[in-house]
Amino acid sequence: IAGITQAPTSQILAAGRRMTLRCTQDMRHNAMYWYRQDLGLGLRLIHYSNTAGTTGKGEVPDGYSVSRANTDDFPLTLASAVPSQTSVYFCASSESGGEGNEQFFGPGTRLTVL
Amino acid sequence: GQNIDQPTEMTATEGAIVQINCTYQTSGFNGLFWYQQHAGEAPTFLSYNVLDGLEEKGRFSSFLSRSKGYSYLLLKELQMKDSASYLCAVKDSDYKLSFGAGTTVTVRA
Repeated sequence: IAGITQAPTSQILAAGRRMTLRCTQDMRHNAMYWYRQDLGLGLRLIHYSNTAGTTGKGEVPDGYSVSRANTDDFPLTLASAVPSQTSVYFCASSESGGEGNEQFFGPGTRLTVL
Repeated sequence: GQNIDQPTEMTATEGAIVQINCTYQTSGFNGLFWYQQHAGEAPTFLSYNVLDGLEEKGRFSSFLSRSKGYSYLLLKELQMKDSASYLCAVKDSDYKLSFGAGTTVTVRA
């Protein structure tokens, strides 16, 4: 199946628990991204990776970590979830991080932290 | 930080034309994107402008004026399936994409 997959589709999590959101793409894209989308705020970049082995911080990185061990996978970890991390999380990828290069989005993970 | 403004909501009639404006103030400019997002779904790419002028793609067109920090998305011959949020996004000098909050377009019969 071509494109980006995310897992889980949705999750309810107790505050303080650790959680990893999974993202896999099969388009051999170099760049991958994690966004969160909250009502009235739009999509905000959490972390990104321009190529396997490298990562960078976006606009709202606190409380989140990422790794990019290979081209296809880009997991997002919440070490100790807090209610303010309740959001819809989208993973995206693009051929590269440069000019042009539209981003393709996964279906999203709806996370609720209680 | 980046500042990208677009109207929150717009309503139009089936068959009509709607223009969604986007103004931006960002640290550098490496292109402007428009995405469509239906409720509960992922954003999908609509258009890309990096030079001034109009880009036309079927019923959708996008315009850019870099000197004014301004873009618009024009939706012609509106259909019910065009009811969605439309997201304006700008790639800055670090090639990171910043999004506006989105414009929800409702198409009425």
